[in-house]
Amino acid sequence: ETGVTQTPRHLVMGMTNKKSLKCEQHLGHNAMYWYKQSAKKPLELMFVYNFKEQTENNSVPSRFSPECPNSSHLFLHLHTLQPEDSALYLCASSQDSSGGAGNEQFFGPGTRLTVL
Amino acid sequence: AQSVTQLDSHVSVSEGTPVLLRCNYSSSYSPSLFWYVQHPNKGLQLLLKYTSAATLVKGINGFEAEFKKSETSFHLTKPSAHMSDAAEYFCVVSDRAGFQKLVFGTGTRLLVSP
Repeated sequence: ETGVTQTPRHLVMGMTNKKSLKCEQHLGHNAMYWYKQSAKKPLELMFVYNFKEQTENNSVPSRFSPECPNSSHLFLHLHTLQPEDSALYLCASSQDSSGGAGNEQFFGPGTRLTVL
Repeated sequence: AQSVTQLDSHVSVSEGTPVLLRCNYSSSYSPSLFWYVQHPNKGLQLLLKYTSAATLVKGINGFEAEFKKSETSFHLTKPSAHMSDAAEYFCVVSDRAGFQKLVFGTGTRLLVSP
């Protein structure tokens, strides 16, 4: 497996469920990101991890809980979500989280989440 | 604060004709600028990037973009569209000096007809 993978690709959950999204990168990167892509809105950065440490929380509600056990894996734990949380959740990775030239972010295919 | 404006939500072209997707940016610092493409059910793929070297940037699949500081623009072009170019395209700006926070435009959907 190469690049950035995400599982599951599709998820339907009720508002009282607890579920987790998984992201894995096979690129040897040290930074990982969660983004939310909603219809008609720009991609929104949610969380950033750099060398396993959370460096950015973009005012995300606490019903979204990220976890980064190592530089290759990133999780997004979900509980008591709302219907407006339905979206495509994208994971990305880069060499690190600095703004240096050439530090490209590589994206996974996303998890399509529907909250009923 | 940085921002990106993609001037067209949809662009329709015929196969074999030129493509122009427009992007204007606003940045307080020397920006890095990117174009990403998203095909249905796929992740975002980097097409090209500008990071202060040559102002005319060539990317994959025949795409190129020109950084024009005086116009604060970074339009994406391709001389001849192919059916496989049909996708959503995102213009992105990043503060080159600091933390790599990408700010995305709302996207332009490119439709290519035979």
